[in-house]
Formats: sequence, structure tokens, C-alpha cells
Amino acid sequence: KQEVTQIPAALSVPEGENLVLNCSFTDSAIYNLQWFRQDPGKGLTSLLLIQSSQREQTSGRLNASLDKSSGRSTLYIAASQPGDSATYLCAGGGTDKLIFGTGTRLQVFP
Amino acid sequence: DAGVIQSPRHEVTEMGQEVTLRCKPISGHNSLFWYRQTMMRGLELLIYFNNNVPIDDSGMPEDRFSAKMPNASFSTLKIQPSEPRDSAVYFCASSLALGGRSKNIQYFGAGTRLSVL
Repeated sequence: KQEVTQIPAALSVPEGENLVLNCSFTDSAIYNLQWFRQDPGKGLTSLLLIQSSQREQTSGRLNASLDKSSGRSTLYIAASQPGDSATYLCAGGGTDKLIFGTGTRLQVFP
Repeated sequence: DAGVIQSPRHEVTEMGQEVTLRCKPISGHNSLFWYRQTMMRGLELLIYFNNNVPIDDSGMPEDRFSAKMPNASFSTLKIQPSEPRDSAVYFCASSLALGGRSKNIQYFGAGTRLSVL
């Protein structure tokens, strides 16, 4: 059974810092891995999707990597901004299902 | 596209009452997912449909929960009778699944916040 863990649970950083969010999964037979952002009281917004055959994806200041052999994914946020404050969730995909981690709550202060 | 539309946004009801949550997926998507989010358990998949057919309902907590997808543009999640421990945010998501595997991104609705008193 796939289990997804995210570390740290919460992170508070000053504006401008580069930061890394970590995600680990137990079943290396994942089909894809997705990173989502959730703002308070809102739904989830997909940020990046990495297929199992890929090693990383980039979108603007975001870069996500996937290492199936070690069961890890990281989300790198460059030059963080207060608007990046949100909860970030990773999810491992088997066939059609996604198994979500518990998220990292990020606060970027000015 | 308007995205995934859920209604109502908020629902407050009394224990024992029937609750029906509604979802309209993105047009053209063929997979639909119902999730529940709580502080204690995080985001849990309850059930998902592919081409209107329930594929996996192993996450449905009890027989009090049921879900239907009568057509490609509408799904309901019903709780009968509701209990206080059902209080949570319920999300619906849709995606385009190709060849039986969800290669594409899941798009989430804004959720329904349910409070059972």
C-alpha cells in the first residue's frame, strides 16, 4: 500500500530564500507524482506533474524532481515570495488513484 | 472552462439528516474523484469513477456513504444518515484518463465544507 510522507510539516522563511520541500513514498511503482498547492479555504491547484519516466519538471520558479529508486521527490521554490504562502501537497499516482501526503504549510514573510 | 463545480459550498445540518453533495466535472474529462479532507486524516480518496462507472470505492467509510454518476457531467455524494464525525471538506476532482491510467492532472473543485451538528 502506497504511503506518502512530507517533511517538514510547516516551514516559515523570509522573503527571497530558496527552499526545498520533501516528499517520500513507499511504493516505487508509482505512475506519476504531482505537486499541488492549497490556499486556506480553497481547493487544490496542480503545480507540476512528473511522469514516472521523467526526472524533473520546471514551471517558473518551481522545480520538482523525482527519484523513484529512493522513493523521493522534492519541490524547489526559488526566490520565495509572500504570495507563495500556502500548503503544498505531493501525491503519488498508481493507476488512476492519487495518494496524498499530509502537506507542508509554508509561510513566507516580508 | 469553468472548472470543476461543486455545490453547495457550505452545508450545515443536524445529525441524522441526509446530505447530498454535487459535482460537475470539467467537460471532456472521463474520470471523477471524491475526496474528504480533515485535519486528522488529511486528504483521503473516497471513490472514483471512470466513464461514469465506479472503479474503486474502497475509501468509502461506511454504508452511510453512497456516490452516483448518472452521466458524464454530474455526480453526487450522499451521506444518510449524517453524523458529526462526517464533518469535513469534501472535494471533487476530474481528469482525462487515457488508456485506463490517469496520465493527466487532476483538477479540483473548491470543495464543500460540511458541518454536522
